[in-house]
Amino acid sequence: DAGVIQSPRHEVTEMGQEVTLRCKPISGHNSLFWYRQTMMRGLELLIYFNNNVPIDDSGMPEDRFSAKMPNASFSTLKIQPSEPRDSAVYFCASRQQGAGAQYFGPGTRLLVL
Amino acid sequence: KNEVEQSPQNLTAQEGEFITINCSYSVGISALHWLQQHPGGGIVSLFMLSSGKKKHGRLIATINIQEKHSSLHITASHPRDSAVYICAVFSGTYKYIFGTGTRLKVLA
Repeated sequence: DAGVIQSPRHEVTEMGQEVTLRCKPISGHNSLFWYRQTMMRGLELLIYFNNNVPIDDSGMPEDRFSAKMPNASFSTLKIQPSEPRDSAVYFCASRQQGAGAQYFGPGTRLLVL
Repeated sequence: KNEVEQSPQNLTAQEGEFITINCSYSVGISALHWLQQHPGGGIVSLFMLSSGKKKHGRLIATINIQEKHSSLHITASHPRDSAVYICAVFSGTYKYIFGTGTRLKVLA
């Protein structure tokens, strides 16, 4: 079985540019999570979708960040405009509803210059 | 004080040593998840526990719900075990509460 798939794996961009991160959850999983990981703050939950509906977006830092899940097999996290402080590793994770374990993707390493 | 505390924060061991990483939590949980992250790598699921003990290869995880404590043991450690080990507790909603991580380095 394929795990959670994220793309791109690495992204280098300049301040002010739009960045779009993509995630394909594990087939059959109906919960999806976006996390950001930095040295200073560790893993932070940005947004949680259940059955494609955003349930908790309280972790989204500001209006520059947006996330969508148009269907059960695809989600995007967009940053517009990007800033150097957005540099981090962004992880997507999925799980089956009712099951505790979340399964993480390989992450997208974002560097904003 | 963090709701999930790990100890030690950093650990250096010689190849072959028996290693123990501890996780204590102060909230009620339904399960605890041990995760592994290699330098520059993704996050891999090791164990999900709600009681007792689980074993996979050289890794053993135990949990004591009454004492709110879990341990991750690595027997016959190897340099490839060098990674950050993260304890995450799940309280029955959708959120994980993450520990601060234990950075393990195993020397050859």
